[in-house]
Amino acid sequence: AQKVTQAQTEISVVEKEDVTLDCVYETRDTTYYLFWYKQPPSGELVFLIRRNSFDEQNEISGRYSWNFQKSTSSFNFTITASQVVDSAVYFCALSVTDSGYALNFGKGTSLLVTP
Amino acid sequence: SAVISQKPSRDICQRGTSLTIQCQVDSQVTMMFWYRQQPGQSLTLIATANQGSEATYESGFVIDKFPISRPNLTFSTLTVSNMSPEDSSIYLCSARTSAYNEQFFGPGTRLTVL
Repeated sequence: AQKVTQAQTEISVVEKEDVTLDCVYETRDTTYYLFWYKQPPSGELVFLIRRNSFDEQNEISGRYSWNFQKSTSSFNFTITASQVVDSAVYFCALSVTDSGYALNFGKGTSLLVTP
Repeated sequence: SAVISQKPSRDICQRGTSLTIQCQVDSQVTMMFWYRQQPGQSLTLIATANQGSEATYESGFVIDKFPISRPNLTFSTLTVSNMSPEDSSIYLCSARTSAYNEQFFGPGTRLTVL
């Protein structure tokens, strides 16, 4: 069985602070994919990143960066110099071949960035 | 990437009625899925919509309640049958692109059942 844990339910930061959202996953599959999505107040789910289990390279995209560590089964997401527009719920998700690549979501972390 | 549209975007329905939600993808995709997001909750998979065959349902979801069709590689429908207030949720369609195993979501259908 697969499981995704996002232990942080809510995080509140002041603009320009850095913030890290934690994601821990469980799976017995050796091939799997990890995702992060952003859900702003408008409700749409915005794809941020996909990472497969064979690629442990960290990735940076502008103010966003992701740290994938198989040794600790974690796929953490850092926003540098946060902005008010970053306020949203962020979901980490896992998919494996045996589940037909359907996504298994964590409970989400609600991030509030205040001016 | 794939662009996904859903209709309707929102609806308010009476108890006991049914609503069909349409999902259209702008390109052919290998897999399509339907998720439910109850208020303040995460997303839960309802079923995988299989092209040309019956959908594959997750535990807790049944075909009589959530019949799904997928007549081709770009279109799917989800019906919420015999609705009750507990069905009030956002229903989201998603599609997986085989090239990069990316999964994109439609804007969702916000359903309120009175």
